[in-house]
Amino acid sequence: SQQGEEDPQALSIQEGENATMNCSYKTSINNLQWYRQNSGRGLVHLILIRSNEREKHSGRLRVTLDTSKKSSSLLITASRAADTASYFCATIGTGNTGKLIFGQGTTLQVKP
Amino acid sequence: KAGVTQTPRYLIKTRGQQVTLSCSPISGHRSVSWYQQTPGQGLQFLFEYFSETQRNKGNFPGRFSGRQFSNSRSEMNVSTLELGDSALYLCASSFVPGPQETQYFGPGTRLLVL
Repeated sequence: SQQGEEDPQALSIQEGENATMNCSYKTSINNLQWYRQNSGRGLVHLILIRSNEREKHSGRLRVTLDTSKKSSSLLITASRAADTASYFCATIGTGNTGKLIFGQGTTLQVKP
Repeated sequence: KAGVTQTPRYLIKTRGQQVTLSCSPISGHRSVSWYQQTPGQGLQFLFEYFSETQRNKGNFPGRFSGRQFSNSRSEMNVSTLELGDSALYLCASSFVPGPQETQYFGPGTRLLVL
């Protein structure tokens, strides 16, 4: 079973708009990561935020983490048609492991 | 630098058969993990290997097994295939196992069980 839940399950926006996706998880974490997947292909790592960080930026991506609420959000600014994909949050628990626990994902469609 | 490669990319099997999937990590990476992705269960962790040793195993039946070779390449095997084993199987590699290591995923092997 998945640890995380993502909201919304699907999102459709116009090019140039911002897209926000939310992720909740259940147990203590070491870090939280976001991945992108195009059309059932491999996953591409986007960003990692550690449990002691609250916000992180990478290009048009902004990730926040609230460990008290066990939640994270991914904001994509000025979206492009090429951003159309599924986005997954994944957590790594405490301990020396690389085991990723994925959420169910958000499917983003960016219309040109 | 070449990415993670997985072979074969597509596979069709029938119930009861067995299948072996292969994963070659990025050069220099010694940790390999496997994940199963299905529409119903999403992405689920299968195994984690490092230095030919299984460090972690997900909640899958014993029909699912894996191994890692001295060159860090990894294989996973599913015996007595069931319809529910139809999925995209993804392999990921990193330099070493650990929570701070970025994992790089391969394109996956899509398995269809008839």
